[in-house]
Amino acid sequence: DIQMTQSPSSVSASVGDRVTITCRASQGLSSWLAWYQQKPGKAPKLLISAASSLQSGVPSRFSGSGSGTGFTLTISSLQPEDFATYYCQQANSFPWTFGQGTKVEIK
Amino acid sequence: EAQLVESGGGLVQPGASLRLSCAASGFIFTSSCMSWVRQAPGKGLEWVANIKQDGSEKYYVDSVKGRFTISRDNTKNSLYLEMNSLRAEDTAVYYCARGTVLNDAFDLWGQGTMVTVSS
Repeated sequence: DIQMTQSPSSVSASVGDRVTITCRASQGLSSWLAWYQQKPGKAPKLLISAASSLQSGVPSRFSGSGSGTGFTLTISSLQPEDFATYYCQQANSFPWTFGQGTKVEIK
Repeated sequence: EAQLVESGGGLVQPGASLRLSCAASGFIFTSSCMSWVRQAPGKGLEWVANIKQDGSEKYYVDSVKGRFTISRDNTKNSLYLEMNSLRAEDTAVYYCARGTVLNDAFDLWGQGTMVTVSS
């Protein structure tokens, strides 16, 4: 199975800050990597697929990059509604696996 | 508007069975791969099972193989998860999720249904 490791596990940031979350895979994924945002009590929301393809309706302050085993999610200017937990997920091979999550908290 | 609505969760004893359902609407169900994803209380997301558009191929996480069965009824726009021999570690919110066109992510999620396995 492919292991997905996110870092950091949590980050405290202020509105307007630039936030970067890293996801590392135990095997190469090509670009089969997605990012999700989840708020408490809600279902996850797809932000980015194929490592860097922004989903329709997702603000342009979110961006994804990387390929192979290293990927990043960047929020260029953190907004109040961005405080949430973020997960990466690989779809290169079954079983699909998620990272453990990164909680973005208010500083 | 595209929508997924899960049902069938509840409190059951260890060893019991439960069947979850997911009703799809607002999109062409037969064009989409579908999955179940779960989240234990206070924990992260875990993909559970996936089924192709015509039901010809199914995939499972190792921890549920032989106990859970994913299926779909394209005439009813519905997805199912039959869960047998339930364990305490199966306690979670179970989400129904639609695969993207490339089936490389989940672009539509239901609200989730809670399954609690406890004596």
